[in-house]
Amino acid sequence: NAGVTQTPKFQVLKTGQSMTLQCAQDMNHEYMSWYRQDPGMGLRLIHYSVGAGITDQGEVPNGYNVSRSTTEDFPLRLLSAAPSQTSVYFCASSYSMPGTEAFFGQGTRLTVV
Amino acid sequence: DAKTTQPPSMDCAEGRAANLPCNHSTISGNEYVYWYRQIHSQGPQYIIHGLKNNETNEMASLIITEDRKSSTLILPHATLRDTAVYYCIVRVEFSGNTPLVFGKGTRLSVIA
Repeated sequence: NAGVTQTPKFQVLKTGQSMTLQCAQDMNHEYMSWYRQDPGMGLRLIHYSVGAGITDQGEVPNGYNVSRSTTEDFPLRLLSAAPSQTSVYFCASSYSMPGTEAFFGQGTRLTVV
Repeated sequence: DAKTTQPPSMDCAEGRAANLPCNHSTISGNEYVYWYRQIHSQGPQYIIHGLKNNETNEMASLIITEDRKSSTLILPHATLRDTAVYYCIVRVEFSGNTPLVFGKGTRLSVIA
């Protein structure tokens, strides 16, 4: 049971490049979400999904796109990377019922130069 | 904005109980209290949650006041591995699911 898997673990991009951060879970969780964490800060929600085909914006959605075509996968796309998007990105998943815990991936460290 | 208030940092001697407070004075009846921790730069890890009763599991105990306006996470015998940032989160539960909103948490340092 792999839990929540994020790839890649590290990435360096040039300003203006695009890339997709991958997130996959094997627990059949309905709910998935993406967070970013800047140095010395807490996690801030970017986008989330309550099921396949359904996504919604979080606190800091600008510059990021998401889609949810399957239950297992929730990729995060950066269309034109900016230095302000340098951060650590975490993906999380959970069952969609009250009082359940969320499982987090180990993060993707992204540097935009 | 996070709906909780936590001290920014705390120290605890190894082997002693660590008591981490959290104020959530605006909590409503359908909101759970969750605790997560983040060790170094790893992904956050679930610890415990509760609605109104005290809860205990293999990691910690959660004490919620009768008026539900504050809670305390207790690590009964803190070890060096418990050094982490601890997040107290209140979360409304609807028929679907709602996001976890993180504040800045409490940085717990366990000292040998």
